[in-house]
Formats: sequence, structure tokens, C-alpha cells
Amino acid sequence: QKEVEQDPGPLSVPEGAIVSLNCTYSNSAFQYFMWYRQYSRKGPELLMYTYSSGNKEDGRFTAQVDKSSKYISLFIRDSQPSDSATYLCAIPSGGGADGLTFGKGTHLIIQP
Amino acid sequence: DTGVSQNPRHKITKRGQNVTFRCDPISEHNRLYWYRQTLGQGPEFLTYFQNEAQLEKSRLLSDRFSAERPKGSFSTLEIQRTEQGDSAMYLCASSLQGPPEAFFGQGTRLTVV
Repeated sequence: QKEVEQDPGPLSVPEGAIVSLNCTYSNSAFQYFMWYRQYSRKGPELLMYTYSSGNKEDGRFTAQVDKSSKYISLFIRDSQPSDSATYLCAIPSGGGADGLTFGKGTHLIIQP
Repeated sequence: DTGVSQNPRHKITKRGQNVTFRCDPISEHNRLYWYRQTLGQGPEFLTYFQNEAQLEKSRLLSDRFSAERPKGSFSTLEIQRTEQGDSAMYLCASSLQGPPEAFFGQGTRLTVV
């Protein structure tokens, strides 16, 4: 089992819809979780990170962690065509390593 | 521009040639990371520097790959005797010691023909 699993999509929704993006992870020791957005042929852009369990909100974006089920979510409210991108979840690589382990990314398409 | 800068943005090379990429991190960041990303995959960790010390290397980093950060500022990633399987986006990221967030550059897209 990979350390972090993410459905690659594509996920297509109409403009204005609430989007739910999800990842599952395998190591319950992880303490923080991150979401990146990546536009085509660009580097990943940090959206937000959360520590441990609970929610974190930033504008139209909400990150949620459920440590009991090892599930992390990113919600986008009032989705816009400019939100069309690949969304990557990331967790610390663990074992004393300092890098990040990324999911494959979910390709999101917001239809105008 | 105060973000992470990578050069060149694109590189096309013939198989067997050597290539070198450069990364200039955010100026106050002491941690620097290299990742590789292939189509349809998330970035994969290659190596990590804290100041000028290379502290971690992934098993993905074969002996044809070498990275340096000579003065704890910019970093270079060299690939010797390139192979077609090396074709990928090479991403650099930097962070401050402590916070977990890492900020990425725009990447160098390598095509080996």
C-alpha cells in the first residue's frame, strides 16, 4: 500500500458547485498534512496545511483531517473555472526524513 | 520576484549527454529540496539540503545524479549520461527550518531524445 492514495480523476463539476477532494494515508504517526495546487506545466503552489485533526479554513478553501479514518479532504466552495487544476495532497515522508510524499493528484475541471 | 527560481525552464538533450539545472531558493530559506515529477504522478523526493549539507538522498537518485549547494544558497542538480527515462519535470523547493510548508519553483522540464 502506498503511503498516500489519491484518485487521479478527472473530476468535472459545474461552476459554483462545492468540490470535495480526498486522500487516504497509511501511517497514523503523521502530524501535518498539506494541499498543493498545480496548473498545467507549472510548479505546485502551496494552498494550505493542517496539523493533526480538525478543520482549517482559508477563503473558499477548507482542509479537513480525520485521523481516526486516515482521511484528508479539501473542500472548495463556489468553485470557479480558475480553480481548474491538479490538486495534490502531501504528507511528511516520515522515518526522520524531511521531504514530502505526494499523492498522484486529482485533476479538477470546473465547467463554466 | 522573491519566489524559488529554476533555470532553464526547458531542456532538450540527446541521450548520453550531461545536463545541469540550477535552483535559487527564497533567500532566507535554509532548506532546499529536489523532486522529480513524471506525467500523471505527484512529485517524488530526490534529495534535501540543510544549508550546504546534503542530508538525505532518495534511492531514486542513482549514481548518475549529483546535487550540490556549495554556499548554502543556490543549488545545482547534474545528470550524467542521460537516459530517456530521465525525461521529467525537475522541481526545486525551499523552506524555513521549522514550518512544514515548502515552496516550489516552476520546474525544469527535461526531454531526453
